[in-house]
Amino acid sequence: GQNIDQPTEMTATEGAIVQINCTYQTSGFNGLFWYQQHAGEAPTFLSYNVLDGLEEKGRFSSFLSRSKGYSYLLLKELQMKDSASYLCAVMDSNYQLIWGAGTKLIIKP
Amino acid sequence: ETGVTQTPRHLVMGMTNKKSLKCEQHLGHNAMYWYKQSAKKPLELMFVYSLEERVENNSVPSRFSPECPNSSHLFLHLHTLQPEDSALYLCASSQGIGQGDYEQYFGPGTRLTVT
Repeated sequence: GQNIDQPTEMTATEGAIVQINCTYQTSGFNGLFWYQQHAGEAPTFLSYNVLDGLEEKGRFSSFLSRSKGYSYLLLKELQMKDSASYLCAVMDSNYQLIWGAGTKLIIKP
Repeated sequence: ETGVTQTPRHLVMGMTNKKSLKCEQHLGHNAMYWYKQSAKKPLELMFVYSLEERVENNSVPSRFSPECPNSSHLFLHLHTLQPEDSALYLCASSQGIGQGDYEQYFGPGTRLTVT
């Protein structure tokens, strides 16, 4: 079966760095997405990785290792507004997104 | 604002009611999706439309009936629902399907409660 695993919840301190991991097993691979979802709001796109390596976008970076079935989202200089759920999703061979259950990130002052 | 709107934002309905959820996208996209989001569970893809043709139906019960009259509008018709159908229903759109970097844009969702 297809499976995406990510931690249920993480806590970090304002100004610090946090890494949210995602491991996957899917039938085929056409890219990995990270989305941010604030409570009661729509998920919004953060990043897309299809090749191995690190993609940096401001305070957020996303890493992919296809051979390991592994990705992480790195958030630097954490701000209170970064408190949200972070969703990992993999596009399979049928170009369907397979979603993880999300990681709820709690930022403390 | 993501360019995808959904109405209503909240809906409470009895198990014998019939209601419809509406989604509209203002992005010129060709693909639209319905997802179900339950607490602490992954997003569940329900239906996919590309150029108004349904391309995917992930074994969704017949009490959920989608309709896509044009590429900008998507409906989800609901009838004789069960309490376990209570969830957040999200609509999304993308430029197309069949290409990996087609990110999806989501609406704010309809919070559905079935009593």
